Amino acid sequence: DQQVKQNSPSLSVQEGRISILNCDYTNSMFDYFLWYKKYPAEGPTFLISISSIKDKNEDGRFTVFLNKSAKHLSLHIVPSQPGDSAVYFCAARGRDTGNQFYFGTGTSLTVIP
Amino acid sequence: ETGVTQSPTHLIKTRGQQVTLRCSSQSGHNTVSWYQQALGQGPQFIFQYYREEENGRGNFPPRFSGLQFPNYSSELNVNALELDDSALYLCASSLAPSSGTQYFGPGTRLTVL
Repeated sequence: DQQVKQNSPSLSVQEGRISILNCDYTNSMFDYFLWYKKYPAEGPTFLISISSIKDKNEDGRFTVFLNKSAKHLSLHIVPSQPGDSAVYFCAARGRDTGNQFYFGTGTSLTVIP
Repeated sequence: ETGVTQSPTHLIKTRGQQVTLRCSSQSGHNTVSWYQQALGQGPQFIFQYYREEENGRGNFPPRFSGLQFPNYSSELNVNALELDDSALYLCASSLAPSSGTQYFGPGTRLTVL
């Protein structure tokens, strides 16, 4: 039962352009969302989060947008840099899931110099 | 400040055997969560430990068990290994059970033959 879905396994973007990574969820009780970045042979590292009381959160080049009615969130990276090439996971938890986070299957981003 | 470390890096076992994986939390973190990441999938929550007690469990059978020690380091034990247990096992530490930000270790790659 995949409650968090990332339907694009991979994405390629030119350096300097915008990268948009998408994530959909099915559980309407989810109220906290995160994005993690993972390089090969390393564990995921926290990137940015958003609570369901907001619809946007920015941190430098990274912005997360949350559309609760569509149960959709997206991560925008502007401008994209070659060092951003990694696998990106979105994760969510909710009032009915305790401290358990549900992760998507990841999107592999390649930023082409 | 040391990050989250895991040992061993790689492990090969045969079906039916038992395995113990280890995790050292980031300094000051009293909560550790364990995840299983199968190939091509996102991390799946196994369980969480807080102050040496299990504090939430995902959809994993009882042959997956854990321990947390007074210094907040942790073990994941898997009995009666099955082929499908082959995966990357990640531990993540956090300041509190409800903390949204988890710090992941690099993982242990378990192969069951």
